Amino acid sequence: QKEVEQDPGPLSVPEGAIVSLNCTYSNSAFQYFMWYRQYSRKGPELLMYTYSSGNKEDGRFTAQVDKSSKYISLFIRDSQPSDSATYLCATMDSSYKLIFGSGTRLLVRP
Amino acid sequence: DTEVTQTPKHLVMGMTNKKSLKCEQHMGHRAMYWYKQKAKKPPELMFVYSYEKLSINESVPSRFSPECPNSSLLNLHLHALQPEDSALYLCASSQVDGGSTDTQYFGPGTRLTVL
Repeated sequence: QKEVEQDPGPLSVPEGAIVSLNCTYSNSAFQYFMWYRQYSRKGPELLMYTYSSGNKEDGRFTAQVDKSSKYISLFIRDSQPSDSATYLCATMDSSYKLIFGSGTRLLVRP
Repeated sequence: DTEVTQTPKHLVMGMTNKKSLKCEQHMGHRAMYWYKQKAKKPPELMFVYSYEKLSINESVPSRFSPECPNSSLLNLHLHALQPEDSALYLCASSQVDGGSTDTQYFGPGTRLTVL
């Protein structure tokens, strides 16, 4: 079992839709969770960083962590074609190394 | 400013060539990382430098040789690579190697092709 599981997609939605991206993780000791956005042939860009459970909002993006079910989500409101990218969830192990999910490809259709 | 820069953007090299990738950050970060990313896969950690000392080597073949000349610079020296080493090589940095706020910021990457 991978430590972080993520549906690779692709996920195709119309412009303006609410997008929900999800990951599950296996180790209940994980406490720090990140979402990175990666455009084709570019480096990952840090979008959101959360600690423990709860929600964190930044503009159109909301990151949610549910530690009881080991589930992390990223919601994108009013999605735009410019949001089309691969979204990587990540967490840190006990030595603070990043553990990535496999990434979900998102396509927002105009 | 959360910028990590990498040069070159693209590199094509033969299996007998020697080349170097360069990474620079001016955020005062004391940890720097090299990752390798193949198409449609997440980044894989190769090396970690903490306070200019190599702290993690993820069993990377010796044809990859990292170097950290100072706290702002990170190099990756390449020699006798194989075609399967073709990938996007990413540099990242963070405040320190470890800690609750130790988020990593990535550069744009160098796309390497080995012929």
